[in-house]
Parts: sequence; structure tokens; C-alpha cells
Amino acid sequence: SQKIEQNSEALNIQEGKTATLTCNYTNYSPAYLQWYRQDPGRGPVFLLLIRENEKEKRKERLKVTFDTTLKQSLFHITASQPADSATYLCALVVDKLIFGTGTRLQVFP
Amino acid sequence: EADIYQTPRYLVIGTGKKITLECSQTMGHDKMYWYQQDPGMELHLIHYSYGVNSTEKGDLSSESTVSRIRTEHFPLTLESARPSHTSQYLCASSESGTWVGGTEAFFGQGTRLTVV
Repeated sequence: SQKIEQNSEALNIQEGKTATLTCNYTNYSPAYLQWYRQDPGRGPVFLLLIRENEKEKRKERLKVTFDTTLKQSLFHITASQPADSATYLCALVVDKLIFGTGTRLQVFP
Repeated sequence: EADIYQTPRYLVIGTGKKITLECSQTMGHDKMYWYQQDPGMELHLIHYSYGVNSTEKGDLSSESTVSRIRTEHFPLTLESARPSHTSQYLCASSESGTWVGGTEAFFGQGTRLTVV
């Protein structure tokens, strides 16, 4: 079956460290992969988009990689802050927009 | 701030009632989506639309129906609400096209539905 899987366990890291979140997918060949942030009780907010022919994309403290051979994307937050605590979702752009299971990130001081 | 609006924000309704959740966007986006999300759980796509008079069912079976008569409006209807429909419903829209940023989705605030 078609799946988009992210770390099911919450990720707890100390402030200032780099958080790395994983997104793995099967049976899709997406042209794009996106990352979103979702806070409790709110809709997701777009962070970054990466194309299939791009290996890496950066935006401020965020970095995304996209390996279409491994069918995997990694999402990094460097110099993490407590305000980065949220659930992070990857999404594939196929003929529709499909979201992964999400990973909850907790950054503690 | 995204120009996509959902009403109502919260709704408590009795079993068997017919309800319509409203979603409107002023960005002229062709693509619109409805997702269902239980607290702490993943987003499930239940309906989507490529444009006026286009609607498709998503990956999660749903007893709801949608319509797309106008570009800006994508309402979701439950003919007979049941307690199993209790959830948060999120509407989103995006442009068509493949240019960078063109497929970013904008979400509404969501409607939290409780069926008693």
C-alpha cells in the first residue's frame, strides 16, 4: 500500500542542538516534497518545498534533503529553540497533496 | 496570513442532523482539499477538487459529500451526522502549476465538530 511514514515517537532535544526528522515513502514518485509545521488546534503551515531534481534546500535554520532513490527526505532544524516545538509533517505532491504521519518535536531549555 | 476561511470554528450537533462545513478562499486557487484529523493523529485526505465542477474522493472513506460550483467555495456536507464523525476538519487550497512555491497549500483554521 502507499505510505508516507515519519518518526512515530516524539523527538525531544535540548535547545541549541540540531533536530533531524525523517520522512520515508513507498509507491510514490513525487515531483515535489513539502514540509509543514502544525501547532495544536491549528492547520499546518508551509515551511519548505523541494523538487525531485534538488538534493538540498535551505531556509534560515531549516534544511531539507530529498533522496528519490532511497525515497526519503530529511528535515533539519539547526540551533533549535523552544519555539520550534511543534509537529512537523512531510507531504508529497502527486496528483493530490498527501501528508505523512507527522513527528512531534519538543525542544527543552 | 492565508486568505482561506472556515466556518464554523466549533460545532456541536445532535445525531442525525444534516450539516454543512463552509470553506472559502480569496486567492483564486484551483485546487482545494478537505482533510480530517483526530487530535494528535495524522491528516487524512477525504475530498479534493481541481477546479469548478471537479471533485474527487480522497484516501479515507468518508460519508461526506462536497461540491465546487464556484472557484472560491468548497463546502463539505454530512447528510446525517453520527458520533463517529466527531473530528477536526481542515480545508486547504493551492495553485495549480509546477513552479517553485506554486503548490504550497494554505490551510484554514479548521472546524472542530462534535456529534452527540
